[in-house]
Amino acid sequence: GQSLEQPSEVTAVEGAIVQINCTYQTSGFYGLSWYQQHDGGAPTFLSYNALDGLEETGRFSSFLSRSDSYGYLLLQELQMKDSASYFCALSSNTGKLIFGQGTTLQVKP
Amino acid sequence: DGGITQSPKYLFRKEGQNVTLSCEQNLNHDAMYWYRQDPGQGLRLIYYSQIVNDFQKGDIAEGYSVSREKKESFPLTVTSAQKNPTAFYLCASSPGTGETQYFGPGTRLLVL
Repeated sequence: GQSLEQPSEVTAVEGAIVQINCTYQTSGFYGLSWYQQHDGGAPTFLSYNALDGLEETGRFSSFLSRSDSYGYLLLQELQMKDSASYFCALSSNTGKLIFGQGTTLQVKP
Repeated sequence: DGGITQSPKYLFRKEGQNVTLSCEQNLNHDAMYWYRQDPGQGLRLIYYSQIVNDFQKGDIAEGYSVSREKKESFPLTVTSAQKNPTAFYLCASSPGTGETQYFGPGTRLLVL
């Protein structure tokens, strides 16, 4: 089957760097996506990795290692508005997107 | 503006009643999806459609039904067979299956 694991909660202070890890199990891997969801809102797309390495988009970066079935989202220069839930999501040959349970990030002053 | 719209924002269902949630997109995307999200949980796939007039069950399809008569529209009906329908329902679309998905604002369904 397919599954993803990510920590349930992470806490960091404003201005710091935080890393949210995601490990997965699947056959027919296509890619790993990251979504952000603020409380009460809809998920918004952050980044996608299909190949090994680091993808950078402003303060956010995402990394993938297919040999380790592992990826992470790196958030730099944390701001209060970054407090949200972050989901990793797996694309595979099923055509569906499978979401992790989400990591709640709390940014403190 | 291009995007995905869902209506209503809040919906109340009475015992034994069927209710339909609307999802419309003008992004010209082929694929559309319905997810259910319970408090503090991830997203679970209810149904998805890769092309007009075709759809597949997701992981939790029981008690739900869909139709895809037009490319732009993918309504979800929560039937009386769904015994625990209270949740946040999210519709999404993507250019093709397995590609990046874009979400609508969601509908909160509450049972009276």
